[in-house]
Amino acid sequence: AQSVTQLDSQVPVFEEAPVELRCNYSSSVSVYLFWYVQYPNQGLQLLLKYLSGSTLVKGINGFEAEFNKSQTSFHLRKPSVHISDTAEYFCAVRGPGGGFKTIFGAGTRLFVKA
Amino acid sequence: GAGVSQTPSNKVTEKGKYVELRCDPISGHTALYWYRQSLGQGPEFLIYFQGTGAADDSGLPNDRFFAVRPEGSVSTLKIQRTERGDSAVYLCASRAQGQTSTGELFFGEGSRLTVL
Repeated sequence: AQSVTQLDSQVPVFEEAPVELRCNYSSSVSVYLFWYVQYPNQGLQLLLKYLSGSTLVKGINGFEAEFNKSQTSFHLRKPSVHISDTAEYFCAVRGPGGGFKTIFGAGTRLFVKA
Repeated sequence: GAGVSQTPSNKVTEKGKYVELRCDPISGHTALYWYRQSLGQGPEFLIYFQGTGAADDSGLPNDRFFAVRPEGSVSTLKIQRTERGDSAVYLCASRAQGQTSTGELFFGEGSRLTVL
């Protein structure tokens, strides 16, 4: 069975500092990997995804993530955060094909301070 | 509509009552998911529809929970004999199918259920 572990429940960081949100997954087959963001009082929206190909994936709002198969990790990074990046970030995994469910991690709350 | 629509946005009910939550997915999306999100937690998978049929209902917690999608579009999540532990935000998401699918889920804003 697939599972996702987000190693940090909360990450406080100062504005313009770099940030890394960690995600590890557990799966016996090839998977698709996603990061979703949930801003306060809004629905989840996709930040970026890894389906295949280049292991470095760039998403919206300056975020990027690197797929590491040997480490079974998909950490999210941003070189310089803004106050507006304050949100909950969820890592998610799905198996290939159309019939598999998407499993989410517990989330990491990013809090950007001025 | 342009996005996934969920109604009601908020529902307060009493323990033991019956509740229905509705989801209207993005037009043309054949895959539809229900998730439950408790405070401070990630979305927890409940059920997945492919067209009209439930392809995977392994996440439904017990037989008080049931979902339908009779025409392959709108879906209704039904909860019987509600309990206080059912209080959560119920999220609906849809996904395109076929070769153009990126696997991305498009979420609604959720229905917040409070059982008193």
